[in-house]
Amino acid sequence: GENVEQHPSTLSVQEGDSAVIKCTYSDSASNYFPWYKQELGKRPQLIIDIRSNVGEKKDQRIAVTLNKTAKHFSLHITETQPEDSAVYFCAAGDAGNMLTFGGGTRLMVKP
Amino acid sequence: DTGVSQDPRHKITKRGQNVTFRCDPISEHNRLYWYRQTLGQGPEFLTYFQNEAQLEKSRLLSDRFSAERPKGSFSTLEIQRTEQGDSAMYLCASSFVSTEAFFGQGTRLTVV
Repeated sequence: GENVEQHPSTLSVQEGDSAVIKCTYSDSASNYFPWYKQELGKRPQLIIDIRSNVGEKKDQRIAVTLNKTAKHFSLHITETQPEDSAVYFCAAGDAGNMLTFGGGTRLMVKP
Repeated sequence: DTGVSQDPRHKITKRGQNVTFRCDPISEHNRLYWYRQTLGQGPEFLTYFQNEAQLEKSRLLSDRFSAERPKGSFSTLEIQRTEQGDSAMYLCASSFVSTEAFFGQGTRLTVV
């Protein structure tokens, strides 16, 4: 089955700096890679996703890159703001099917 | 709120009791998923449905866990003879085929 590893487990940055979270996956059949943001006590919310036919996707301050050969993908947040503080989860699988999640990254943005 | 709805939000039960959780997906979403999330971990897939058909159930944690989606709309997750290790957040999500999944707020289960 799929195995997803996520690093780092915690990340502290100053407001305005960039943050990068990296994930690796094991199953080359995975073709869908979403990122979810989860604030304390709240539901995971999809912030961006990428499919295996695309190498990079951007949405305002958030971007995701995918390297299928190396089986890794990364989340990039630029110009971080205190409201970006949350736990971020990467996942891998097939859209509309089961997802395998990474262990999460706690991002803290210091004002 | 037209998002995924879960009930109850919190459940405290004594060890050995049975519990049932309900999930109402986003209207017209034909796929519905159940995940479990323990503290500090990512969601762990349990099972999913397309309409009323359960497409994958081998990931259910034990035979004490079962799920149904009798009419292809809402779903229930039942845990029989609860154990302390069952304490977790149980998340439901829904989607169309081949699209992103949207999660509910979850049901937090505490087994005492």
